[in-house]
Amino acid sequence: DTAVSQTPKYLVTQMGNDKSIKCEQNLGHDTMYWYKQDSKKFLKIMFSYNNKELIINETVPNRFSPKSPDKAHLNLHINSLELGDSAVYFCASSQERNEQFFGPGTRLTVL
Amino acid sequence: AQSVTQPDIHITVSEGASLELRCNYSYGATPYLFWYVQSPGQGLQLLLKYFSGDTLVQGIKGFEAEFKRSQSSFNLRKPSVHWSDAAEYFCAVGPYSGGYNKLIFGAGTRLAVHP
Repeated sequence: DTAVSQTPKYLVTQMGNDKSIKCEQNLGHDTMYWYKQDSKKFLKIMFSYNNKELIINETVPNRFSPKSPDKAHLNLHINSLELGDSAVYFCASSQERNEQFFGPGTRLTVL
Repeated sequence: AQSVTQPDIHITVSEGASLELRCNYSYGATPYLFWYVQSPGQGLQLLLKYFSGDTLVQGIKGFEAEFKRSQSSFNLRKPSVHWSDAAEYFCAVGPYSGGYNKLIFGAGTRLAVHP
């Protein structure tokens, strides 16, 4: 069974559109994260939820809105997509101080 | 501010040669330290971690890393590299607070392996 899964794996869309990426973890972890990896492979945290509560909210445009319906799911909705949003988005989960487990990533391409 | 520096952007080694990937961090207290590997088109896989205790930690795939507080370093080593080790390697610092690690990643080191 996949520990952290993301859908879709690839997402190609036009500027101005709204899109969502879904993440699910079956590890029973309390904390989930969204990271953005840019074209130079640099990884930066965007958001984190602990038991459905937002605990990290980095300097991210408010076009990005995370939602956690339960502690096993963390979705990312992006409004009015821009060219600069093109990146690979990774979901991760962890339990307290332990390591984070990453999903396979969603490659978003904005045309 | 916390930061992680991986001085080598790209390293090429021959298969069977030894490997050391450098990582330096800036953090006010003892950090939690991690090395992750990312194969092309894949997610990140944890190689090893350091929280406390023995400063030499063993990981998966024959990797090890040594925490040196005096040098603020956590270098990754492998005695004999295999072609399948070609990937991107990320060092990360996890300031632990409130029940979670906010990972700060280095820029990564791309490893190429020559046959």
